[in-house]
Amino acid sequence: AQSVTQPDIHITVSEGASLELRCNYSYGATPYLFWYVQSPGQGLQLLLKYFSGDTLVQGIKGFEAEFKRSQSSFNLRKPSVHWSDAAEYFCAVGAFTGANNLFFGTGTRLTVIP
Amino acid sequence: SQTIHQWPATLVQPVGSPLSLECTVEGTSNPNLYWYRQAAGRGLQLLFYSVGIGQISSEVPQNLSASRPQDRQFILSSKKLLLSDSGFYLCACGQYNEQFFGPGTRLTVL
Repeated sequence: AQSVTQPDIHITVSEGASLELRCNYSYGATPYLFWYVQSPGQGLQLLLKYFSGDTLVQGIKGFEAEFKRSQSSFNLRKPSVHWSDAAEYFCAVGAFTGANNLFFGTGTRLTVIP
Repeated sequence: SQTIHQWPATLVQPVGSPLSLECTVEGTSNPNLYWYRQAAGRGLQLLFYSVGIGQISSEVPQNLSASRPQDRQFILSSKKLLLSDSGFYLCACGQYNEQFFGPGTRLTVL
């Protein structure tokens, strides 16, 4: 069965520092992978997605993620964090099930300190 | 691209009262529609999905129901709310290769 694990519940980084958010997935086929960001009280905004091809994908707001099949990982990175990046980040895998829905991790809350 | 509207944005209801949350979609036709619930400190749980008018599938047994009276309208309902129904409800459209989300409804059951 498909599942997504985000091992870090909460991460705090200083503004200008680099960021890496971890995501591990379990899926029996080639996965469709996503990172979404959620600001407090808001819906989810798509940051980036991976379907196939180049394993390093670029997204909006300066984010990138790397798909590593051997590690079943899809970690999100940003070289220099801005205060406005403080939010909750969700990793998700798309499933070819009856619902054709996304399976989400439990999220990582990012705090940015000045 | 799709735009998803949800209302109300915030709702406070007493235990035992009915519920109706509405979701409407613009910019697409015959979309797959989804209701997710996000509880505090937890990820998103799929509640219902619909592939067409009148077609509803439930992913988990619960106190809620869903309906799709029109192609781009998806409604989440309850006859009697429970405390455990509190949470953030998100409507989405799309499929396994991408989903777009509405702004959500914050439901507090007291």
